[in-house]
Amino acid sequence: SAVISQKPSRDICQRGTSLTIQCQVDSQVTMMFWYRQQPGQSLTLIATANQGSEATYESGFVIDKFPISRPNLTFSTLTVSNMSPEDSSIYLCGSSEGSGNTIYFGEGSWLTVV
Amino acid sequence: TQLLEQSPQFLSIQEGENLTVYCNSSSVFSSLQWYRQEPGEGPVLLVTVVTGGEVKKLKRLTFQFGDARKDSSLHITAAQPGDTGLYLCAAFETSGSRLTFGEGTQLTVNP
Repeated sequence: SAVISQKPSRDICQRGTSLTIQCQVDSQVTMMFWYRQQPGQSLTLIATANQGSEATYESGFVIDKFPISRPNLTFSTLTVSNMSPEDSSIYLCGSSEGSGNTIYFGEGSWLTVV
Repeated sequence: TQLLEQSPQFLSIQEGENLTVYCNSSSVFSSLQWYRQEPGEGPVLLVTVVTGGEVKKLKRLTFQFGDARKDSSLHITAAQPGDTGLYLCAAFETSGSRLTFGEGTQLTVNP
């Protein structure tokens, strides 16, 4: 299984600012994903990060709010732009070897917007 | 979107008790996965079930995939405080590209 590292693990941010979360995988992977999770609740897919092309966003999530980069097969970033308290959440990076394959997750980045 | 319904949402039991968590859907899945998540950590894969009627055991945890591949259950025998966590079922949608999660079951095992 892939080992996934996320940075930062935790941050407190001022409303109106933007924060970029980094996700590093210890091996080349086909697919990378970004999920959001309220504490104690389930995961909601934000987008699939595609290497060499724009990310594929889920309904309710837009590129202007959550720009994503995927410069190579081991790295991706998610930016949470113009943050508001409603963006306070855990953001999780996942990776898999391909469509329908097991997704492994990083430890998450816990953002609190004040 | 293929909805996964988990029950119960919350479960608080005493050490040594048995419990079962259910994951149901009206859709048929090619496979279904169970994850466990502890506070401050990402979800960790416990098992993947693929064949209808399949039963998999992981120490005190028993996972079953329904015959019609629409539902699954997780049974824990003699629960321990270390079993405390959020249990999530998940399945890929028909296209195979999107992993959808159930609402989760927050389990607390009291010493």
